[in-house]
Amino acid sequence: EVHLVESGGGLVQPGGSLRLSCAASGFPFSGYALTWVRQAPGKGLEWVSTISGTGESTYYADSVKGRFTISRDSSRSMVFLQMNSLGGEDTAVYYCAKCPTYRGSGSYYDYWGQGTLVTVSS
Amino acid sequence: EIVLTQSPGTLSLSPGERAILSCRASQSVSGSHLAWYQQKPGQAPRVLIYGASSRATGIPDRFSGSVSGTDFTLTISRLEPEDFAVYYCQQYGNSPLTFGGGTKVEI
Repeated sequence: EVHLVESGGGLVQPGGSLRLSCAASGFPFSGYALTWVRQAPGKGLEWVSTISGTGESTYYADSVKGRFTISRDSSRSMVFLQMNSLGGEDTAVYYCAKCPTYRGSGSYYDYWGQGTLVTVSS
Repeated sequence: EIVLTQSPGTLSLSPGERAILSCRASQSVSGSHLAWYQQKPGQAPRVLIYGASSRATGIPDRFSGSVSGTDFTLTISRLEPEDFAVYYCQQYGNSPLTFGGGTKVEI
């Protein structure tokens, strides 16, 4: 059974940094792309970033390009999202989700974690 | 970027009734690569439909998807109590990936 468990959320000041983690299990980790999707309080879903199965390709939404970095560690079956220069617009629940494909660009998401809340506030 | 407009914003129905949810794309979605997700309060989204009309694993056949040009439809043939939730469409045929604003199906 596929499991995705996010961690690392919390309260951070504007301009600060945070690193989110997602522990994956139940599928061949390097065979599938993983993605981060966020949801601001009471709002809809926004794609943030995707990384291919072995990490050679990464994709970012314009709203986070240059500030966020996605990476993965196959030895630990984990994916990370390093978030820098955070602003109030980054306040959201961040979900880790699995793509049903290796490449990940142009994909829907077949499994989701429960999310971790990031709050950017002074 | 493709803008997805979902309507109505809220659908008020009773168990046993049929729900028809619309998702209109601002331009053609490559390959009809559109998915529908269900999200209940405090939970993560769950994929229902991908490729506009293919049901995801474990999804009951009362959920169906269809497409006509740039208009995508999710139909729930007979609402069960557990179907009252928010539904989002997502296009993944064109970069960047985008989601619709959601339709809330309420009792």
